[in-house]
Amino acid sequence: GAVVSQHPSWVICKSGTSVKIECRSLDFQATTMFWYRQFPKQSLMLMATSNEGSKATYEQGVEKDKFLINHASLTLSTLTVTSAHPEDSSFYICSARVTGRAYEQYFGPGTRLTVT
Amino acid sequence: QKEVEQNSGPLSVPEGAIASLNCTYSDRGSQSFFWYRQYSGKSPELIMSIYSNGDKEDGRFTAQLNKASQYVSLLIRDSQPSDSATYLCAVNTLSGSARQLTFGSGTQLTVLP
Repeated sequence: GAVVSQHPSWVICKSGTSVKIECRSLDFQATTMFWYRQFPKQSLMLMATSNEGSKATYEQGVEKDKFLINHASLTLSTLTVTSAHPEDSSFYICSARVTGRAYEQYFGPGTRLTVT
Repeated sequence: QKEVEQNSGPLSVPEGAIASLNCTYSDRGSQSFFWYRQYSGKSPELIMSIYSNGDKEDGRFTAQLNKASQYVSLLIRDSQPSDSATYLCAVNTLSGSARQLTFGSGTQLTVLP
């Protein structure tokens, strides 16, 4: 149990375009999902916390108008990188918290974004 | 002081040895502790959770928790080359008015054949 999927697994886009990444909890309902970014050989960086039916909470320094998060259902959260630039190229990983299981979080497989 | 600190390594152990990974945390109110394994280029995978003081064993893995010392560790017995990965310690800490998982920066483990 506790499987999280992400789509796409990798994407290449041109500078200035937008990219949407989907995160789904497959066998459980996730009231809370998280979006992380990880640059090569660096640690996970939490970008935002996504709560179903409400606005996301962004970490300091993360532009909410650039990284749009929507958590429209208990099994789906989306991250849209708007007007992407080469510096946005990174590994984006979502995770979902299992409700009632003491903050256990399960990660999706990640999306590798390359902006050319 | 960082909220969750790990010895960054890299840590190298020979195959068959015990690998010991350590983590300290600053929030005395933390109640949930996790170890994740992350292979290069992949996302983290939950391998152990511990909530009470003492030891918790799962196969070759043993998590140890000492809340008084604010210390949590992971022992890997009979280490295998396939255990080579970065191990992340995660602790639920208070952020503003809510609790969330805070991750350490990870310890890179290499098991030498």
